[in-house]
Amino acid sequence: NAGVTQTPKFQVLKTGQSMTLQCAQDMNHNSMYWYRQDPGMGLRLIYYSASEGTTDKGEVPNGYNVSRLNKREFSLRLESAAPSQTSVYFCASSFQGAMSGELFFGEGSRLTVL
Amino acid sequence: DAKTTQPNSMESNEEEPVHLPCNHSTISGTDYIHWYRQLPSQGPEYVIHGLTSNVNNRMASLAIAEDRKSSTLILHRATLRDAAVYYCILSARHNTDKLIFGTGTRLQVFP
Repeated sequence: NAGVTQTPKFQVLKTGQSMTLQCAQDMNHNSMYWYRQDPGMGLRLIYYSASEGTTDKGEVPNGYNVSRLNKREFSLRLESAAPSQTSVYFCASSFQGAMSGELFFGEGSRLTVL
Repeated sequence: DAKTTQPNSMESNEEEPVHLPCNHSTISGTDYIHWYRQLPSQGPEYVIHGLTSNVNNRMASLAIAEDRKSSTLILHRATLRDAAVYYCILSARHNTDKLIFGTGTRLQVFP
């Protein structure tokens, strides 16, 4: 059972380049989330998807777009990367939603923007 | 949205109990209290959550004050593997599908 799988695990971009972070879960969860974590800081919610076909903004959505491709997959896209987006990105999923359910996190994707 | 306050860091010796405090004086009646922890270089993992009553599971216990303005995560016997950052989180008041993480408490466990 893989749980939550993120790809790539590491990526280096130049300012202005674009890329997509992929996330897939095999637990039949309804809700999926993207967080970022800057060095020495807590996690901040970028976007989330409460169910297939819906997405909503979190705390820090600017500069990002997301796609809930199907129930399993939730991707995060950086259209024009900036050094301020250097961070570790975590995808998570939940069956019931965050309020009363457990979030399962992936191992993270470390992104550096030069 | 209601916020939480936690100490930046705490220390414990191995095999001793650890009480991690969290203040949430502006909690609303429908907010759940969640605890997650993050081991070095890993994603966060769920520890426990509750609403009003104290909760126990295989990892920890959650003690919730009667007025719900504070809570305590209890690790009954700390191990070296429990060294992590512990996050106390309230569900967002107006959106039940968000968890907003703060900076947490960094727990050090000494042999």
